[in-house]
Order: sequence, then structure tokens, then C-alpha cells
Amino acid sequence: QVQLQESGPGLVKPSETLSLTCTVSGDSISSYYWSWIRQPPGKGLEWIGYIYYSGSTNYNPSLKSRVTMSVDTSKNQFSLKLSSVTAADTAVYYCARRGAAAGTVWLDPWGQGSLVTVSS
Amino acid sequence: QSVLTQPPSASGTPGQRVTISCSGSSSSIGSHYVYWYQQLPGTAPKLLIYSSDQRPSGVPDRFSGSKSGTSASLAISGLRSEDEADYYCAAWDDSLSGPVFGGGTKLTVL
Repeated sequence: QVQLQESGPGLVKPSETLSLTCTVSGDSISSYYWSWIRQPPGKGLEWIGYIYYSGSTNYNPSLKSRVTMSVDTSKNQFSLKLSSVTAADTAVYYCARRGAAAGTVWLDPWGQGSLVTVSS
Repeated sequence: QSVLTQPPSASGTPGQRVTISCSGSSSSIGSHYVYWYQQLPGTAPKLLIYSSDQRPSGVPDRFSGSKSGTSASLAISGLRSEDEADYYCAAWDDSLSGPVFGGGTKLTVL
């Protein structure tokens, strides 16, 4: 079955860049869309953006100026970079597979999540 | 503040039927399917309902979804202790050109 696993530093200093990678197993990344979602401690879910294997992206307008997503089909991985982070970016970051249909919020499966804390 | 509005909490006793509401707008729920996610304590969200009223394989038929206009509901019948979790609704939003989530509802089984 398809499995996703986030990896990256758990601690990032303010003003620096948060970098996470999601490794996909059990399915080729060259299908579907691949998403990033985050959840601040004790709070709800926030969509960050998604990327297609071709490299086309769609970002949340509230984060667009700071977000970059990329895909590496040779490694079956996709990545997230969030620049100029502040304490407000402290959250559990999830990667998930998104359905192919336009306008869908079909997200399945999800990775287990990676807690990133922004602190000096 | 979330674009989709959910009650922060809900509760019920074992065996009861509970419903969780989700209110949106014409650019979100009014124009698109609704999705529901279940997040058990300490775990990642799991897809519970898609296309407003469809269950993925493996989801018990105790869970059902419905949509009317700019609102949607998740119903859980025959409540069990293992249903205690946070539930999130989601929908595509044309204003955002992306998905929006509700703030989540914490379900307590008394």
C-alpha cells in the first residue's frame, strides 16, 4: 500500500528556511498530486500547497511568498521549503497524496507528520 | 479563523447518534464536494467521507455524510468509545483556488 514519510530538521531558527522532504513508497510519484498541510499545536489544519509530478504548483495565497515546492521523480520524493520562518510557523507538517480530479480535497494517505519548532 | 465553521465540541454516549455540522459559503461547500477527516489522538488525519457522502473502503457504515446548499453534516450512529477524535470538514474554495478546512470538532464519548 502507499506510504508517505516526512523527514527534515525538527528545529529551525527564526528567519531561516524550513525544509522538509516526503518520501513516497508503494506508488509512483508520477501520478496524482502531492500536498503539504500543517497543524499548529492544539489547532486546526491549514493547507500549504500541492505539486504535480510535472512540477506545476498551487500555493495557499497566505503563504505563497514564502513557499517553494519541488519534486524529484528519480527518488520518488517531493519537498517543501518555507522561508523567513517565525514562531507562528511552528507546527506538525504533513504530506499527503491528493486526488487527481479538479477541485478535490481527497487526501489519502497522509504521512505520520513531522513536528517543526521555530526557536532560537 | 477558519473558512468553514464547525462547532468546537460534540458529545454522546455509547450507542447514540451524533451529528457534526460544517457551514461554508457559495464559493466552497455551495459549489464543491465536502470531505471529512478523522484525527485520533496523536495521529495523522484519515479520510472518512469523500464527495460529500461516500465512504472509502474500510470506513464503517456507521459514518455518513450529507450536504445541502452551503452546509454539510457528518453523522455517526451507534457511537463507540473509539470514535473519540477530532473531526474536520474540508472543501475546495474558488476564492482561494485551493482547499479550506473547518476548525475541527472534538468528539467526546461520555
